[in-house]
Amino acid sequence: GQQLNQSPQSMFIQEGEDVSMNCTSSSIFNTWLWYKQDPGEGPVLLIALYKAGELTSNGRLTAQFGITRKDSFLNISASIPSDVGIYFCAGQLTDGGTSYGKLTFGQGTILTVHP
Amino acid sequence: DADVTQTPRNRITKTGKRIMLECSQTKGHDRMYWYRQDPGLGLRLIYYSFDVKDINKGEISDGYSVSRQAQAKFSLSLESAIPNQTALYFCATRAGKGNTEAFFGQGTRLTVV
Repeated sequence: GQQLNQSPQSMFIQEGEDVSMNCTSSSIFNTWLWYKQDPGEGPVLLIALYKAGELTSNGRLTAQFGITRKDSFLNISASIPSDVGIYFCAGQLTDGGTSYGKLTFGQGTILTVHP
Repeated sequence: DADVTQTPRNRITKTGKRIMLECSQTKGHDRMYWYRQDPGLGLRLIYYSFDVKDINKGEISDGYSVSRQAQAKFSLSLESAIPNQTALYFCATRAGKGNTEAFFGQGTRLTVV
């Protein structure tokens, strides 16, 4: 089946620093999604990417859909303490086939921000 | 009130017991999913349903079963719980074709002793 490799597994940074994490896949997706999970909560969508090469921002967050359709990255600029949590990438095929409509998740990146 | 509600939020059960985790949603979505989260493994898909008559196995369906009782309800059962099913379980919903955002419940923390 499809697999996503997300890195790094964890990050410890100082407030104000920029953060970068990425995901690579063994197969192509036509949608990439980035989620954040706060402690005790379910994941919440941050950014959705629908086209290869697309670069999308949401406040201090920027994400890109790789042109090979097998990778994506997420950057967080000027981190703040409330950025702590687990960040997940997820890929999806929406063009039919046996994987239609299923989200495949990366292993997650645990982000800790020191004030 | 939450759009996607999971019950119970926490449960401790003994090996060999049958247990059901329930999920209900008020979003009117057709698609519902059960995931399990383990440290370092992300979220892995157990079962998913595109409508009341459609049930599909995910990556790790062995040892689990599901029931889609209505559009708004999707329950996950462990017929005979074992310790390696100790995990955080999430239900998620999505609207139909073309809409990609999945909305997650708050999770059920299950411990099998």
